Amino acid sequence: GQNIDQPTEMTATEGAIVQINCTYQTSGFNGLFWYQQHAGEAPTFLSYNVLDGLEEKGRFSSFLSRSKGYSYLLLKELQMKDSASYLCAVKDSNYQLIWGAGTKLIIKP
Amino acid sequence: ETGVTQTPRHLVMGMTNKKSLKCEQHLGHNAMYWYKQSAKKPLELMFVYSLEERVENNSVPSRFSPECPNSSHLFLHLHTLQPEDSALYLCASSEDSSRSGANVLTFGAGSRLTVL
Repeated sequence: GQNIDQPTEMTATEGAIVQINCTYQTSGFNGLFWYQQHAGEAPTFLSYNVLDGLEEKGRFSSFLSRSKGYSYLLLKELQMKDSASYLCAVKDSNYQLIWGAGTKLIIKP
Repeated sequence: ETGVTQTPRHLVMGMTNKKSLKCEQHLGHNAMYWYKQSAKKPLELMFVYSLEERVENNSVPSRFSPECPNSSHLFLHLHTLQPEDSALYLCASSEDSSRSGANVLTFGAGSRLTVL
């Protein structure tokens, strides 16, 4: 079967750095997405990786290793507003989006 | 208004009720989606519409009935639901339903449904 694994919950301190991992086992690969979802709000697009390597967007970076079936989302200089759930999703060989259950990130002062 | 708007935001219904969820997008997108989000579970794709035509139906029970009268509006009609249908129902849109490339989804804030 197809599977996306990410930690259920993580805690980090304001101003610090946190890395949220996502591992996947899918039938084929056509890109990996990260979305952010604040409680009671819509998921919003953060990043898309289809080639190996690191994509940087301000305080957020996303890394992909296709050979390892692995991605991470790196958040730097954490702010209280970064408290949210982070959803990892992979497009398989049929271009179906396979979603992880999300990682709830709690930021403490 | 901009983006994707869903109404109502919260809905409580009995198992014998009939209700509808509404979704409206002001982005000029051609594809619209219904997802079910349950606590600590992955998003479940329910239906996909492209240019008002249903292109995907993921084995969803018939008590859920979608309707897409035009490319800006999407409805989910609910009838004789079960308590296990209680969840957050998310609507999303994208430029088109093509599966290639990034094809980023823009989500609404969801309708929180509770079935008693």
